[in-house]
Amino acid sequence: GEDVEQSLFLSVREGDSSVINCTYTDSSSTYLYWYKQEPGAGLQLLTYIFSNMDMKQDQRLTVLLNKKDKHLSLRIADTQTGDSAIYFCAEKSAQGGKLIFGQGTELSVKP
Amino acid sequence: GAVVSQHPSRVICKSGTSVKIECRSLDFQATTMFWYRQFPKQSLMLMATSNEGSKATYEQGVEKDKFLINHASLTLSTLTVTSAHPEDSSFYICSARVRKWGTDTQYFGPGTRLTVL
Repeated sequence: GEDVEQSLFLSVREGDSSVINCTYTDSSSTYLYWYKQEPGAGLQLLTYIFSNMDMKQDQRLTVLLNKKDKHLSLRIADTQTGDSAIYFCAEKSAQGGKLIFGQGTELSVKP
Repeated sequence: GAVVSQHPSRVICKSGTSVKIECRSLDFQATTMFWYRQFPKQSLMLMATSNEGSKATYEQGVEKDKFLINHASLTLSTLTVTSAHPEDSSFYICSARVRKWGTDTQYFGPGTRLTVL
């Protein structure tokens, strides 16, 4: 079945880079996504990558996709305290466009 | 990006009453919307897929008579929690699917915090 796994916590110092990792099982996924959720709020789409791409960069965000290993990562450069949040990785299921979410990684940025 | 709103943002109700939550796509049309439930410190659990003009598709284990979904227009889907009980207290989030220019993404609403007393 479809499954997405993430580590639960990551702590970094302000100004460092953060790397959040994700593994997924469905090799037929066409899109993979990163969402950010702040406390008490909905999910904000940060970025997505199409499965035929290896890398996508958008300002401070870099997404790397290793399709062979079914591994996705999100790198946040120059991490700020405002980046503290829960980050969800998701893959698009082949069934009707549903998203399969990971458990979320809580990123804590210390000054 | 596309904007999705939810109303209300918070609701407190008595056990046994029904609560309606609205999800609107503000600057685009969405033929497909999704309803999720999120427990504290947990991931999102998909409850159902809402398709404009047709019946919703519910995930396994979700009671369709308990969680009524209506997607009557291309910009509005509603979730009604009928005869709510304290165990229905949760954070409910909707999303709208956007497919254009070769992309396929979901934009999420801000969520509705339901507390059943």
